[in-house]
Amino acid sequence: QKEVEQNSGPLSVPEGAIASLNCTYSDRGSQSFFWYRQYSGKSPELIMFIYSNGDKEDGRFTAQLNKASQYVSLLIRDSQPSDSATYLCAVTDTDKLIFGTGTRLQVFP
Amino acid sequence: GAVVSQHPSRVICKSGTSVKIECRSLDFQATTMFWYRQFPKQSLMLMATSNEGSKATYEQGVEKDKFLINHASLTLSTLTVTSAHPEDSSFYICSASTGRNQPQHFGDGTRLSIL
Repeated sequence: QKEVEQNSGPLSVPEGAIASLNCTYSDRGSQSFFWYRQYSGKSPELIMFIYSNGDKEDGRFTAQLNKASQYVSLLIRDSQPSDSATYLCAVTDTDKLIFGTGTRLQVFP
Repeated sequence: GAVVSQHPSRVICKSGTSVKIECRSLDFQATTMFWYRQFPKQSLMLMATSNEGSKATYEQGVEKDKFLINHASLTLSTLTVTSAHPEDSSFYICSASTGRNQPQHFGDGTRLSIL
């Protein structure tokens, strides 16, 4: 059974701080890694994807991938209250995605 | 780019009704479309994977005669919940992808309430 694990949280950070979200996966053969944001009652929204080891930055978001450790993370700099949501880590399995259960992030003013 | 349109956004209907949900990729051709269900405060659950012109592949435990999926073109997939009952009430979400290892882009979801 291929698995993606995330801490369910909530992760509480003050406005302006860096939020660090982590994810581990079980299938060493996984090739693509995604971070989705899901607001309560809404559908998931793609915010980052990464294919290679290392860091990938897009605005306030940085995705980090370490295939040797089977670890993916998402850093959110200058966190805002509007970043409060559940963040889903997803990993490819052939043509499907395996989702983690999500980490709930709370950014307080 | 990568916009997926799903409608209706909300359906309320009586038990025994069949409900059709449409999912369209507006600005790209989707090799594969996916249908998920999500109950309150729970994770996304993949129901089925569908490729254009082929029969859908259903996940274990999902009744294919209950949840009919048609993927008629590279931009349109439909999910029909047949003879819906209150236990089918849920948030149904479609997604579309251009291929293996590519991101899935999600529609806005359909909230289905069966009375």
